[in-house]
Amino acid sequence: AQSVTQLGSHVSVSEGALVLLRCNYSSSVPPYLFWYVQYPNQGLQLLLKYTSAATLVKGINGFEAEFKKSETSFHLTKPSAHMSDAAEYFCAVTPTGGFKTIFGAGTRLFVKA
Amino acid sequence: DVKVTQSSRYLVKRTGEKVFLECVQDMDHENMFWYRQDPGLGLRLIYFSYDVKMKEKGDIPEGYSVSREKKERFSLILESASTNQTSMYLCASSSGGDVTNEKLFFGSGTQLSVL
Repeated sequence: AQSVTQLGSHVSVSEGALVLLRCNYSSSVPPYLFWYVQYPNQGLQLLLKYTSAATLVKGINGFEAEFKKSETSFHLTKPSAHMSDAAEYFCAVTPTGGFKTIFGAGTRLFVKA
Repeated sequence: DVKVTQSSRYLVKRTGEKVFLECVQDMDHENMFWYRQDPGLGLRLIYFSYDVKMKEKGDIPEGYSVSREKKERFSLILESASTNQTSMYLCASSSGGDVTNEKLFFGSGTQLSVL
């Protein structure tokens, strides 16, 4: 069965530092891949999605993610963290030909001043 | 602005009660989903629907049922609420077509407490 693993339930960075949130998926066939963000007391909103057009995907708010098939990874990065980036981030996959989007457990990002 | 609206932000119910959670979307989306969100577990799919009157079980359907009589509305029903159903419930929708590549639009969630 398809699964998504996010390494680290909590990540803390200083303002201006690099943000790296890790995501690995299990699939013999590359699925569709997404990163969602959830701000406090809100639903989830899409940050970016991988559509096989390019391995490096740019999203909103300066985030990007790189698809690496050999590592079955889709890590999320941002060069310089901002206080407003503090939120919970979810990696998600939808198997090719499937309806169900499967989410990772989430990583809560803390940004220190 | 596109919207997925969940009828209640907070709900407190007693064990054994029948509970209805309502979700309405204004985007004419074919697909609608109910997830529950628990700390450390992420989002888990309860049920989804890809058309009016159609429903499919997700990964954790036990203790839940759904209803989709109109395209814009998808209801989640807890037949007899139990304390282990205390959770945040999130409704989402997506357009049809190549459904695997479509992003989900989420409501703000309903925090349900069963006492």
